[in-house]
Amino acid sequence: EVQLVESGGGLVQPGRSLKLSCLASGFTFSNYGMNWIRQAPGKGLEWVASISSSSSYIYYADTVKGRFTISRDNAKNTLYLQMTSLRSEDTALYYCARIGTIAAFFDYWGQGVMVTVSS
Amino acid sequence: DIVMTQGALPNPVPSGESVSITCRSSKSLLYSDGKTYLNWYLQRPGQSPQLLIYWMSTRASGVSDRFSGSGSGTDFTLKISGVEAEDVGVYYCQQGLEFPLTFGSGTKLEIK
Repeated sequence: EVQLVESGGGLVQPGRSLKLSCLASGFTFSNYGMNWIRQAPGKGLEWVASISSSSSYIYYADTVKGRFTISRDNAKNTLYLQMTSLRSEDTALYYCARIGTIAAFFDYWGQGVMVTVSS
Repeated sequence: DIVMTQGALPNPVPSGESVSITCRSSKSLLYSDGKTYLNWYLQRPGQSPQLLIYWMSTRASGVSDRFSGSGSGTDFTLKISGVEAEDVGVYYCQQGLEFPLTFGSGTKLEIK
């Protein structure tokens, strides 16, 4: 069974940093691209970042480019999101999601981890 | 960036009725391989989104055949034949043609 379990969220002050992790199991992690997608309270879904299976290709939303860094450790089956210079508008539930091998759809999602940016 | 625009539903919808959710993209999602890179998701209350449809009309594994997707290069429809209580939630379309990957704002379905 595919499982994606996010961790590392919490309350952080504006301008500070936070690192999210997503532990994957139930599939060959190194064969799949991975993503972070977020959802502000009461709002819709916003794609944040993507990383290919071997980390060769990385993409970011303009809203986080230069502040967030997506990375992965295939030996540890873990996806990361390093977030710096956090703003109040980064407050959201952050989902880790697997991208399908045949097309850019998100076929498995984690349960999400909450990040609250507030003083 | 490709902008995805979704329509609203006349909530609440009577149980058993069929509904169509619309989505429009600002750019054609039809690729040179003949596939249309439009996906649909359902987010039930308090849950993570789940994939329903990819390539505009291909149902994801385990998805009920009450869900069907159709459309052209820029105009898309998700049809739910005979809505049931478990269909309640917010439906999102998403384009998978190019980065940045973008979602529609969501269409809420309530059942009477």
